[in-house]
Amino acid sequence: LAKTTQPISMDSYEGQEVNITCSHNNIATNDYITWYQQFPSQGPRFIIQGYKTKVTNEVASLFIPADRKSSTLSLPRVSLSDTAVYYCLVGLYYGGSQGNLIFGKGTKLSVKP
Amino acid sequence: EAQVTQNPRYLITVTGKKLTVTCSQNMNHEYMSWYRQDPGLGLRQIYYSMNVEVTDKGDVPEGYKVSRKEKRNFPLILESPSPNQTSLYFCASSLRAGYYEQYFGPGTRLTVT
Repeated sequence: LAKTTQPISMDSYEGQEVNITCSHNNIATNDYITWYQQFPSQGPRFIIQGYKTKVTNEVASLFIPADRKSSTLSLPRVSLSDTAVYYCLVGLYYGGSQGNLIFGKGTKLSVKP
Repeated sequence: EAQVTQNPRYLITVTGKKLTVTCSQNMNHEYMSWYRQDPGLGLRQIYYSMNVEVTDKGDVPEGYKVSRKEKRNFPLILESPSPNQTSLYFCASSLRAGYYEQYFGPGTRLTVT
């Protein structure tokens, strides 16, 4: 499983767009990039996954450059309720057999009024 | 409602007293795993199970045991708890190993004195 590097923390204000970048230099050809969100005292929850280019859902967008060595989670117009820890994982893919998963320390996003 | 349940949610115990934290999912998922979360260390995988009777170590398995006799249940056993096992524990499940979307339980906060 490719190792990932994310900023430890980020601060933002309500209404701003937040971009969290994850570095994964050793990503393998079959690896997908998956992001989870965790609120205090709750388990993480899946928010978005992608393989290349751009993926968008109702929660976030995920931008992946052509070399796939990094990815950026974009949260549009954040609110106080987006304050959470965001984890980037590499290696999960549909139909894969990856058992050992590494969440790492994640990025703690603090949104201020 | 599709969910992962854990019991107990909170537990205070003493060193050496065997305990079991139960985990159950109602989604017929093949893959289940246990994580512990500690301040500054992020989320670390303890054990995982690819299917019934198939378990394997994660990153921090020392001091823990698991079993998977039924598809829906994956209990975590601490045979002789020690204070360094004081932590927040999460159980998770997914359709199969490597599937991108994992469902997490609400967490069990364990204190060992």
